[in-house]
Amino acid sequence: DADVTQTPRNRITKTGKRIMLECSQTKGHDRMYWYRQDPGLGLRLIYYSFDVKDINKGEISDGYSVSRQAQAKFSLSLESAIPNQTALYFCATSDLMVSTDTQYFGPGTRLTVL
Amino acid sequence: SQQGEEDPQALSIQEGENATMNCSYKTSINNLQWYRQNSGRGLVHLILIRSNEREKHSGRLRVTLDTSKKSSSLLITASRAADTASYFCASRLTGANSKLTFGKGITLSVRP
Repeated sequence: DADVTQTPRNRITKTGKRIMLECSQTKGHDRMYWYRQDPGLGLRLIYYSFDVKDINKGEISDGYSVSRQAQAKFSLSLESAIPNQTALYFCATSDLMVSTDTQYFGPGTRLTVL
Repeated sequence: SQQGEEDPQALSIQEGENATMNCSYKTSINNLQWYRQNSGRGLVHLILIRSNEREKHSGRLRVTLDTSKKSSSLLITASRAADTASYFCASRLTGANSKLTFGKGITLSVRP
């Protein structure tokens, strides 16, 4: 089984809808991240969490919110989706005890907002 | 501005040739990492080099780091068609809670 899983893998939604992307991990890592990837722009950090009670904004947090329900789960919500949020979204984890912050990625969620 | 920037943006080579990809960064780092992404999939960590290291090897991968020039290179020797992917450098700044900053990526095509 994959260590970092994301659901759904693909989602098409309409402008104004609320949508939640979920991430689960079995690696036992404390740190979890949400990124979005757009063609030509690389990966941009949306939110990250170093512990269950810790939530931090990343580079592009506007229009997004997150919830860290447990060490293993980190959800990303789009309260009112808009077309420019169409992108590939990745969850990643890293081990707090490893100083290098090497990250392990999920398979991604392809989101299309019409 | 981007902390890590790769060069070239795209690279096309023949199978068996070596592929060299470069990454530059702006501020002092704790380490620099290279990741690979097959089309539409999650990134996979390839190799890491710390700021006090100059060269590391892992199989057909060789990474170098020049802190005076704030640059790193990833060399893939004897490339294979299966090496076709996007490659990203990611730099981690100094500081306990600093995060990785990813570049925009290099698209490598290896022709059979």
